Amino acid sequence: SAVISQKPSRDICQRGTSLTIQCQVDSQVTMMFWYRQQPGQSLTLIATANQGSEATYESGFVIDKFPISRPNLTFSTLTVSNMSPEDSSIYLCSARLGGAAGELFFGEGSRLTVL
Amino acid sequence: RKEVEQDPGPFNVPEGATVAFNCTYSNSASQSFFWYRQDCRKEPKLLMSVYSSGNEDGRFTAQLNRASQYISLLIRDSKLSDSATYLCVVNMKRTHPPLVFGKGTRLSVIA
Repeated sequence: SAVISQKPSRDICQRGTSLTIQCQVDSQVTMMFWYRQQPGQSLTLIATANQGSEATYESGFVIDKFPISRPNLTFSTLTVSNMSPEDSSIYLCSARLGGAAGELFFGEGSRLTVL
Repeated sequence: RKEVEQDPGPFNVPEGATVAFNCTYSNSASQSFFWYRQDCRKEPKLLMSVYSSGNEDGRFTAQLNRASQYISLLIRDSKLSDSATYLCVVNMKRTHPPLVFGKGTRLSVIA
């Protein structure tokens, strides 16, 4: 199994500011992901964090809005830039162990409220 | 048709009851299936994978029907601690992203 630590666990931010969420995995993993879960909705993949190269973004998500870093195999950050109330959501870091068919583990999430 | 559909519930059942959830998926090429459990204000955690032959883990039974493109989760002898949201997750290898999450089915087990 994997233990994934995220911080901050929650934050309240002002419109127009940016927030960086950190994710630390207790073991080296090839695949790390960032998801968003809005109230009453399913998890939506924002991007795959690639170690040593630019993240791979899903449709509807762009690097300027959600820059991601992945400096090594255990750590990643997601920044939510120029926030608006629509960005209020839970952001979840996840990592997959055991290859492409392996189990997906999640961090506890970062609950973001934008005023 | 949505890629992964679940009845959102809530399902309110008494302790000891048997409850079943279904989940339908749109991509016939989907290759692997999972049930995740998400407690209120917590992250999702893998409950069980769903195998073609069906599988059981204690009070939980998961089944796959490829012909009708649905998977099911059966919970027997419900406990209060089973109250959570159950997420259906499908690995659709021909689409991107490959892992698609349902919106979840909320279960409340009542004393």
